[in-house]
Amino acid sequence: GAVVSQHPSWVICKSGTSVKIECRSLDFQATTMFWYRQFPKQSLMLMATSNEGSKATYEQGVEKDKFLINHASLTLSTLTVTSAHPEDSSFYICSAWAIETQYFGPGTRLLVL
Amino acid sequence: GDSVTQMEGPVTLSEEAFLTINCTYTATGYPSLFWYVQYPGEGLQLLLKATKADDKGSNKGFEATYRKETTSFHLEKGSVQVSDSAVYFCAPASGGSYIPTFGRGTSLIVHP
Repeated sequence: GAVVSQHPSWVICKSGTSVKIECRSLDFQATTMFWYRQFPKQSLMLMATSNEGSKATYEQGVEKDKFLINHASLTLSTLTVTSAHPEDSSFYICSAWAIETQYFGPGTRLLVL
Repeated sequence: GDSVTQMEGPVTLSEEAFLTINCTYTATGYPSLFWYVQYPGEGLQLLLKATKADDKGSNKGFEATYRKETTSFHLEKGSVQVSDSAVYFCAPASGGSYIPTFGRGTSLIVHP
């Protein structure tokens, strides 16, 4: 199957700083990638759809100025959490579509102190 | 939009027991159906899928059959192992990008 990677796998930062998370499709090209957020023991919440070469599409209630998404190439999408606060602490997962299936990355755990 | 209902967990079983996790869905048209598994601290992995009615997806001893008439996609395994302990998500996916709709997932705990 297709492989999606994320970096970093975990990050701890101070409140007010910005954090960038990378999502890469390793063996296929992805014109569309997706970003999810997951709280402990909860389901995945779709945050936004990342489109290569164009603006991301955000789900209702997700602040686009808070969660900046850039999809500069067919294999890389980045999510930047700007001016992070403790309530942004969560598990962030990306996915990409290939062969009629969504493939997910291993996730990035963010802790904001 | 699509929606999914999974049985509440956690499901607790002894090793080698039979597993069934129920899943029913609502969707417009004919979605593809997926089961994803999430091991502790990890992302989601595709477990199996079925793309049309009566298809059976299978992988690692797990099976699920696409039942259009009952809009169900129940997950089964004949003999679970401790290593199967994880959270299982049933997800219908419609549209061109096959964006899954997730429920809350079902936690499975298998004891030796």
